[in-house]
Amino acid sequence: QTVVTQEPSLTVSPGGTVTLTCASSTGAVTSGYYPNWFQQKPGQAPRALIYSTSTKHSWTPARFSGSLLGGKAALTLSGVQPEDEAEYYCLLGYSSAQWVFGGGTKLTVL
Amino acid sequence: QVQLQQSGPGLVKPAQTLSLTCAISGDSVSSNSATWNWIRQSPSRGLEWLGRTYYRSKWYNDYAVFVKSRIRINPDTSTNQLSLQLSSVTPEDTAVYYCARDFRGSGGSGPPNFDSWGQGTLVTVSS
Repeated sequence: QTVVTQEPSLTVSPGGTVTLTCASSTGAVTSGYYPNWFQQKPGQAPRALIYSTSTKHSWTPARFSGSLLGGKAALTLSGVQPEDEAEYYCLLGYSSAQWVFGGGTKLTVL
Repeated sequence: QVQLQQSGPGLVKPAQTLSLTCAISGDSVSSNSATWNWIRQSPSRGLEWLGRTYYRSKWYNDYAVFVKSRIRINPDTSTNQLSLQLSSVTPEDTAVYYCARDFRGSGGSGPPNFDSWGQGTLVTVSS
């Protein structure tokens, strides 16, 4: 069974920078996994932020960026705002036509 | 702008079949540029992709291994909807269920992009 692992929780100060990562139990994450990133606030559906590793949606704030880092997918927030406090999820696609979500990172802005 | 509107019962008895519908506006379930997915979320299991349906000259389905024997996702072209049926449910199937579009760009060959989600439906499995 494939497992996708994210940091359970991270804390960042307003205006700071934080990087969330997404690892696969099958090995290094590459662009071929087409990493997607989502933001979810309580009581809401997930909102798409990033797809295909680093491509932003038209509504994604510029302070969010996606990359590959040390064999993992990564989401970096630069100049964090209080409204960025949320749960963040990555999603990886596997060649067997299976998609697997990470367990989520609870980001606290404090 | 794509909108996905979900409907269906919020309570299902154990061993029965969970059935949900997702009405699509702003796109077509038969689009060659999208796949249509069901995803669920529970506190104990997190977000789980359940499966998808899509049309590329014919209809295709893919299902998550852990529900493959119990799940059916069907398109309805007459109403532009997709449906989810999950049979033999147990309390472990209690979750918020979402439908979501994976958009592949206007040419249909772009990268996977889960850009639009339904509002979510809480389904409780209980007698």
